[in-house]
Amino acid sequence: AQSVAQPEDQVNVAEGNPLTVKCTYSVSGNPYLFWYVQYPNRGLQFLLKYITGDNLVKGSYGFEAEFNKSQTSFHLKKPSALVSDSALYFCAVRDTQAGTALIFGKGTTLSVSS
Amino acid sequence: GAGVSQSPRYKVAKRGQDVALRCDPISGHVSLFWYQQALGQGPEFLTYFQNEAQLDKSGLPSDRFFAERPEGSVSTLKIQRTQQEDSAVYLCASSLSVGDRGRRDGYTFGSGTRLTVV
Repeated sequence: AQSVAQPEDQVNVAEGNPLTVKCTYSVSGNPYLFWYVQYPNRGLQFLLKYITGDNLVKGSYGFEAEFNKSQTSFHLKKPSALVSDSALYFCAVRDTQAGTALIFGKGTTLSVSS
Repeated sequence: GAGVSQSPRYKVAKRGQDVALRCDPISGHVSLFWYQQALGQGPEFLTYFQNEAQLDKSGLPSDRFFAERPEGSVSTLKIQRTQQEDSAVYLCASSLSVGDRGRRDGYTFGSGTRLTVV
C-alpha cells in the first residue's frame, strides 16, 4: 500500500537560516512526488513535483526538493527561510501503478521566527 | 473561472441532516478529486472522476457519501444523515489531464468547504 510519512509535526527555524522539511514514502511502482503548502483557511497551493529526470526539483517561492530513490525520501528545502514561509506543508505521492489519487502525509507545521 | 471554486465555504448541519457540497473545477479540466481533511490531518482521498465517469470511489467512508459529476464539469458531494465524525474540510481538486507527466503544475485545489455537524 502506498503511504507518506512526515516524521516531524513541527519545524522551527530562524529567518535567514536554511530549512528542511522531511518526507519519506512507500509505493509499489514508480512514484510521482509533490509538495503543497496550506495557509490558514486556505486550500492547498502547489509548490513542486517530481516525475522523472533530475533528482533536484526547483519550485515556487525558492523551494526545492531532492528525490532520493534509495532512501525513498523527498525532503523539502530552502536555503534561506522567510517569516512568510510559516505555514503547513504537505508531502504527497502518487503511485503510478495504483491510480491517479494523491496520498498525503499528515503535514508539518513550519514556524519561521524573526 | 481562474481557479477551483467550492461552495458553500462553511456549512453547519444538525446531526441527521443531509448536505450537498459543490465544486466548480477549472474549465476544461478532465480529472476531479474529492478529499476529506480532518482537523490536524492531511487530506484523505474520497473519490475520483474522469469527465463524468466516477472511476474510483474507494475512499468514500460509507454509503452515506455519494458524489456525482453528471456533465463532466460541476461536481456535487452529498452526505446523507450526517454524523459528528463527518465534520471536516472537504476539498475538491481538478487537473487538466488524466496523467500529469510533463506538466509543470500539480492538481489545483479549491479552498474547501468546512462542514461542522452539531
